[in-house]
Amino acid sequence: KNQVEQSPQSLIILEEKNCTLQCNYTVSPFSNLRWYKQDTGRGPVSLTIMTFSENTKSNGRYTATLDADTKQSSLHITASQLSDSASYICVVSGLSSGNTGKLIFGQGTTLQVKP
Amino acid sequence: NAGVMQNPRHLVRRRGQEARLRCSPMKGHSHVYWYRQLPEEGLKFMVYLQKENIIDESGMPKERFSAEFPKEGPSILRIQQVVRGDSAAYFCASSLTSGGALEQFFGPGTRLTVL
Repeated sequence: KNQVEQSPQSLIILEEKNCTLQCNYTVSPFSNLRWYKQDTGRGPVSLTIMTFSENTKSNGRYTATLDADTKQSSLHITASQLSDSASYICVVSGLSSGNTGKLIFGQGTTLQVKP
Repeated sequence: NAGVMQNPRHLVRRRGQEARLRCSPMKGHSHVYWYRQLPEEGLKFMVYLQKENIIDESGMPKERFSAEFPKEGPSILRIQQVVRGDSAAYFCASSLTSGGALEQFFGPGTRLTVL
């Protein structure tokens, strides 16, 4: 069964600190991996999209890494801000999706940044 | 350029009633995806549509649920004879084309509560 597992489930950090979120997946064959940010009561917003040939991708203070061999990804947030408080979701698209774009979502990591 | 629009944002129905959820994709997007997010769970794919066609409905419950994306107007997700277990957030996403690492843009969601 294709799955996307994220850890930790929740995380509390102080403002301006860094943190790293983890994602392991079993989706195979693999097409691409995305990280989304979902604020409470809102739809997910894309942060990064990486194909199997990409090892790292940055978007401002967000840096995602991908190891397609071990099927692991991480999202590193630098110098966190209060507005970073949200759920961060790892999403994988497999080639077996038949090019339909169907995405498989992880449960998300809930990040709370405190002053 | 307006983003993906969904309405209503909140919908309350009694058991046995029908729920109609609407999604207007981003301008120029002809591919629409519906996802459901049950309380405390990740998003789950329901259906993928192009104009006037259902491409992949592998995530749709076999009964009571239907979706359409007519040539003119928004995409509609219809739930007949709602039950309490249908209470969830329903998200619509749209993309320019399908497949690959193409980004899907999400709407704000419709939160359905079944009394």
